[in-house]
Amino acid sequence: NAGVTQTPKFQVLKTGQSMTLQCAQDMNHNSMYWYRQDPGMGLRLIYYSASEGTTDKGEVPNGYNVSRLNKREFSLRLESAAPSQTSVYFCASKDLDGTGNTIYFGEGSWLTVV
Amino acid sequence: AQSVSQHNHHVILSEAASLELGCNYSYGGTVNLFWYVQYPGQHLQLLLKYFSGDPLVKGIKGFEAEFIKSKFSFNLRKPSVQWSDTAEYFCAVRPGGYQKVTFGIGTKLQVIP
Repeated sequence: NAGVTQTPKFQVLKTGQSMTLQCAQDMNHNSMYWYRQDPGMGLRLIYYSASEGTTDKGEVPNGYNVSRLNKREFSLRLESAAPSQTSVYFCASKDLDGTGNTIYFGEGSWLTVV
Repeated sequence: AQSVSQHNHHVILSEAASLELGCNYSYGGTVNLFWYVQYPGQHLQLLLKYFSGDPLVKGIKGFEAEFIKSKFSFNLRKPSVQWSDTAEYFCAVRPGGYQKVTFGIGTKLQVIP
């Protein structure tokens, strides 16, 4: 059981370049999330998708777009990368409701924008 | 919108010392509460969670947390820490019926042998 898989693990971009971070989960979860983690800022929610076909902004959505391609996949796109987007990005998923409600995280994607 | 405050950003303890990490949230309704741990170089893993029922929740590795609704708090405790508990700890809240999960900024715990 792979859980939450994100790619790439490491990426260096030049300012202005675009890229997409891919995320897939094999747990049949309804909800998926993208967070960024920065020193002293903790985890901040960029976008989330409560269920297939829906997406919503989190705390820091500016400069990002997302696509919930199907139930398994939730991608994060940087259209024009900026140095301020240098961060570690985590994808996560969670079942819709019930007593489980545990968020499962991917291993992270280290992005550097120069 | 909900928010989470973690009061201690960096804690240093000697092995065998007791630990308490503070977490307060702001949301007036029903909530689910979580503590996650991130060991150096790894992704976040669930330590424990509160969904309903007994407000004293026991998690893995000897951790526990108490939900005090009147104080909007969910503090994490461990009676005796070990060097292997060195990690960053995150508190999180999810309002009941909603899927948005908000994390605190984390507390870095360093345990000295």
